[in-house]
Amino acid sequence: DTGVSQNPRHKITKRGQNVTFRCDPISEHNRLYWYRQTLGQGPEFLTYFQNEAQLEKSRLLSDRFSAERPKGSFSTLEIQRTEQGDSAMYLCASSSDPGQGASVYGYTFGSGTRLTVV
Amino acid sequence: AQSVTQLDSQVPVFEEAPVELRCNYSSSVSVYLFWYVQYPNQGLQLLLKYLSGSTLVKGINGFEAEFNKSQTSFHLRKPSVHISDTAEYFCAVSGRGNKLVFGAGTILRVKS
Repeated sequence: DTGVSQNPRHKITKRGQNVTFRCDPISEHNRLYWYRQTLGQGPEFLTYFQNEAQLEKSRLLSDRFSAERPKGSFSTLEIQRTEQGDSAMYLCASSSDPGQGASVYGYTFGSGTRLTVV
Repeated sequence: AQSVTQLDSQVPVFEEAPVELRCNYSSSVSVYLFWYVQYPNQGLQLLLKYLSGSTLVKGINGFEAEFNKSQTSFHLRKPSVHISDTAEYFCAVSGRGNKLVFGAGTILRVKS
């Protein structure tokens, strides 16, 4: 397994267009997280899945944002009617269930998708 | 709810000098603590983590951190830095397997 994979790496879109990002987690990880990082800030939590269930959504996730994880494998994050304020790095991370043992527990991040809305 | 404060936004240091990046957290529950490094236009790479046990945690690239429960701190240290350590460092806290909450980051600038 080569880690968490995110596609595309970069996306430039015009304001008002819809965009979709994909994340492929580490195969044995059952948890998947989406974060957003703007310039000069730490990553901010958006949402997370345990298997296919979306267990928590941040208030940052407006109704223009939707995330799915069908079959508990890869995940997609869609932004509808993009705005310039959506420009950011979108990071995906996966982790194992901490009940599997503290020695193996940890988050692995992908390289991110940088979105620029023009 | 958890929060993280990284006390320095930038830390300049000369090559081969020691460095400490400070991190304080607040939480009402037991936590896991992490340090990540981010190079420009890249994702986050885990440096080290504290889950339980020994309060001194050793990580990759010669970094270590000490968990101090009474002071709610998890400062990152390296005895001798290299130019290649120039990057942004993030401290993060997790409440037993849930989402990570990050600090605002500290930019480490290593000068020759």
